[in-house]
Amino acid sequence: DIVMTQSPATLSVSPGERATLSCRASQSVSKNLAWYQQKPGQAPRLLIYDASTRATGIPARFSGSGSGTEFTLTISSLQSEDFALYYCQHYFNWPPRVTFGPGTKVDIK
Amino acid sequence: QVQLVQSGAEVKKPGSSVKVSCKASGGTFRSYTFSWVRQAPGQGLEWMGRIIAVFGTTTYAQNFQGRVTITADESTSTAYMELSSLRSEDTAVYFCARELPCSGTDCYTAFDYWGQGTLVTVSS
Repeated sequence: DIVMTQSPATLSVSPGERATLSCRASQSVSKNLAWYQQKPGQAPRLLIYDASTRATGIPARFSGSGSGTEFTLTISSLQSEDFALYYCQHYFNWPPRVTFGPGTKVDIK
Repeated sequence: QVQLVQSGAEVKKPGSSVKVSCKASGGTFRSYTFSWVRQAPGQGLEWMGRIIAVFGTTTYAQNFQGRVTITADESTSTAYMELSSLRSEDTAVYFCARELPCSGTDCYTAFDYWGQGTLVTVSS
């Protein structure tokens, strides 16, 4: 089974600064990777899929990159509403398989 | 706008079963694929399985094989997840989620709409 890891576990960033979150797969997953944001008490929100495609309504300050085993989510200038948990998710389309990473918490420095 | 509304919180005894519903509105139910994802308290996300509504075809994660059943009722636009042989470790918030619709031949098993979550507590 593919194992997803995320680093760092916690990222402390000041508002307006850039945040860079990493996600690594134990073997190549091509570009089959999504990113989600989750706030306490809420469902996750899809930010990025296909490694770099922004989901509908997601601000341009969120960008995804990478392929194979190494992926990055960049938030170019953190806004107050961006302090949250972020999960990466690998998927196989067929047969369907989904694996989430353990998450990175972005908090206020 | 697609909306997924889940049933309310449940408290169950160990060894029993729970069935959670997810009612969809705002789109064409039979064109959807639904997954169920759970999140134990303070923990990460765990995919349980999915159903292609139009065919009723299901796929289950290995960790839940034999214990989970996912169904869909087109007449009520509702998807269901039933988990049996409950144990304390199954205490979690259970989410339904819709997969992104395919764009031509490009399909992505990522989830663009989510239900609000249903807390299932397993306790004696």
